[in-house]
Amino acid sequence: GNSVTQMEGPVTLSEEAFLTINCTYTATGYPSLFWYVQYPGEGLQLLLKATKADDKGSNKGFEATYRKETTSFHLEKGSVQVSDSAVYFCALNPKANQAGTALIFGKGTTLSVSS
Amino acid sequence: GAVVSQHPSRVICKSGTSVKIECRSLDFQATTMFWYRQFPKQSLMLMATSNEGSKATYEQGVEKDKFLINHASLTLSTLTVTSAHPEDSSFYICSARPIAGVEQYFGPGTRLTVT
Repeated sequence: GNSVTQMEGPVTLSEEAFLTINCTYTATGYPSLFWYVQYPGEGLQLLLKATKADDKGSNKGFEATYRKETTSFHLEKGSVQVSDSAVYFCALNPKANQAGTALIFGKGTTLSVSS
Repeated sequence: GAVVSQHPSRVICKSGTSVKIECRSLDFQATTMFWYRQFPKQSLMLMATSNEGSKATYEQGVEKDKFLINHASLTLSTLTVTSAHPEDSSFYICSARPIAGVEQYFGPGTRLTVT
């Protein structure tokens, strides 16, 4: 079946540290991959996406590369800020070309950045 | 960017009453919307897929008679929690996928508290 596995949190970093949040997936076919961010008390915001192997999604200094050979989509940022503190969800759409297909989410990783 | 709204953002109701939550895509049309439930510090659990003009598709274990979904137009889906009980208290989040697109956009969520 289809599933997403994220590293357990919380991740605690100092401002300007390097961030990696690991995400691996299992899927049949060719899924699209996403990272969403959720700030306290809010809904999810799309952070970045990749729709095919070797694609790199990037936004706001975050980036992730769709690695089919390792079935991974790790999230990275070179220098985190306090404002990046949030919960990050890795997700996949197993049939991205079909409108009725829901996203499958990982459990989320809480990031806490201190100044 | 694509915006999805939810109303109300917070609602407190008494046990036994019904509550309606609206999900609207403000600047795009969506034939499919999704309803999720999120417990504190947990990931999103897909409850149902809402299809414009047809019946919703419910996930296993979700009572369709308790969680009524109506997708009245290409920009509006509603979730009605009928005969609410304290265990229905949760954060309910909807998402919508544009007709032409692979990503999903999420509403800000509705915090339901049943007393």
